[in-house]
Amino acid sequence: GQQVMQIPQYQHVQEGEDFTTYCNSSTTLSNIQWYKQRPGGHPVFLIQLVKSGEVKKQKRLTFQFGEAKKNSSLHITATQTTDVGTYFCAGRGTNAGKSTFGDGTTLTVKP
Amino acid sequence: DGGITQSPKYLFRKEGQNVTLSCEQNLNHDAMYWYRQDPGQGLRLIYYSQIVNDFQKGDIAEGYSVSREKKESFPLTVTSAQKNPTAFYLCASSISGSPGGELFFGEGSRLTVL
Repeated sequence: GQQVMQIPQYQHVQEGEDFTTYCNSSTTLSNIQWYKQRPGGHPVFLIQLVKSGEVKKQKRLTFQFGEAKKNSSLHITATQTTDVGTYFCAGRGTNAGKSTFGDGTTLTVKP
Repeated sequence: DGGITQSPKYLFRKEGQNVTLSCEQNLNHDAMYWYRQDPGQGLRLIYYSQIVNDFQKGDIAEGYSVSREKKESFPLTVTSAQKNPTAFYLCASSISGSPGGELFFGEGSRLTVL
């Protein structure tokens, strides 16, 4: 079945440093979504990417979808303490209707 | 306020007991989902429903059951057949009946089996 791998599992940064998490699928995806889960909270939708090579920005966050539509990344510039949490990608296969979540990357930011 | 309400937030159960988790949404969404989250892991799909009176198994449906008698409600029963039920359970919904759209999550129910 479809597998979505996400790395790294944990990332500790100093406030102001950049952060990147990567998501790789075993199969071609029709779309990929990113979610953020604050400690003790529930996942909240950030963005969806659909097109090959797509790049979208939300303030300090940059999301990319690979040309082959099998990988994606989330990059945060100049992290802040409010960025702490676990970031999940969720990829939807071209054949299967449902999305598969990666295991997430947990970001901690030291002030 | 529109949203998804899960109850209870915390639940303790003895081994061998069934327990039902409630999920209600007033977003008028067609699709609803149940996910299980274990520490350090992603969300694994238990069941999903695209329309009323219809639902499909997800990746880890064994030991669970659901119903979808109303558009607003999608309760999950954790049966005694579920071997390791202690987990954080998340209910979600999406606008269209086609899975893969933006998911709106409830605040979750944390089940502990004693």
